[in-house]
Amino acid sequence: NAGVTQTPKFQVLKTGQSMTLQCAQDMNHEYMSWYRQDPGMGLRLIHYSVGAGITDQGEVPNGYNVSRSTTEDFPLRLLSAAPSQTSVYFCASSYGAANYGYTFGSGTRLTVV
Amino acid sequence: SQKIEQNSEALNIQEGKTATLTCNYTNYSPAYLQWYRQDPGRGPVFLLLIRENEKEKRKERLKVTFDTTLKQSLFHITASQPADSATYLCALDIDLNKFYFGSGTKLNVKP
Repeated sequence: NAGVTQTPKFQVLKTGQSMTLQCAQDMNHEYMSWYRQDPGMGLRLIHYSVGAGITDQGEVPNGYNVSRSTTEDFPLRLLSAAPSQTSVYFCASSYGAANYGYTFGSGTRLTVV
Repeated sequence: SQKIEQNSEALNIQEGKTATLTCNYTNYSPAYLQWYRQDPGRGPVFLLLIRENEKEKRKERLKVTFDTTLKQSLFHITASQPADSATYLCALDIDLNKFYFGSGTKLNVKP
């Protein structure tokens, strides 16, 4: 049972490049979320999904796209990377919205130069 | 503005003492509040959940209280150990499907 798997673990991008951060879970969780974590700012919600085919914006969605074609996968796309997107990105999943604990992946450390 | 506030200063305590961490929020009426532990370089790990109609929740050496009038949750670790040293995050639902985190408080337990 792998839990939540994020790839890659580290990535360096040049400004303007695009990329996709992968997230997969094998717990049959309906809820999945993407957060970014910056020093002193805690975890901020980027996008979330309440099930396959359903996504919505969180607190800081600009510059990011998501899709949820299957229950297992929830990729995060950076459309045109900017230095302000340098951060650690965490994917999380749960059986429910807030009435169940979230399981987090180990994170992707992204640097945009 | 909507805020979830945790003490940004590290909490330093002696082994064996009780650590108490605070989570305050404004302009929300959460139905659930959760606490997580995060170690350096790792993702947060779920510890406890408390509902708005529960005053207190316990799990082994952990205790959480939830005061919806004060808009505050307290997180206690009794008989603290050096292995409890980590950053502790609170999180709450700001609406049905949106779950927001505080910035966390770092706990240092000294032997």
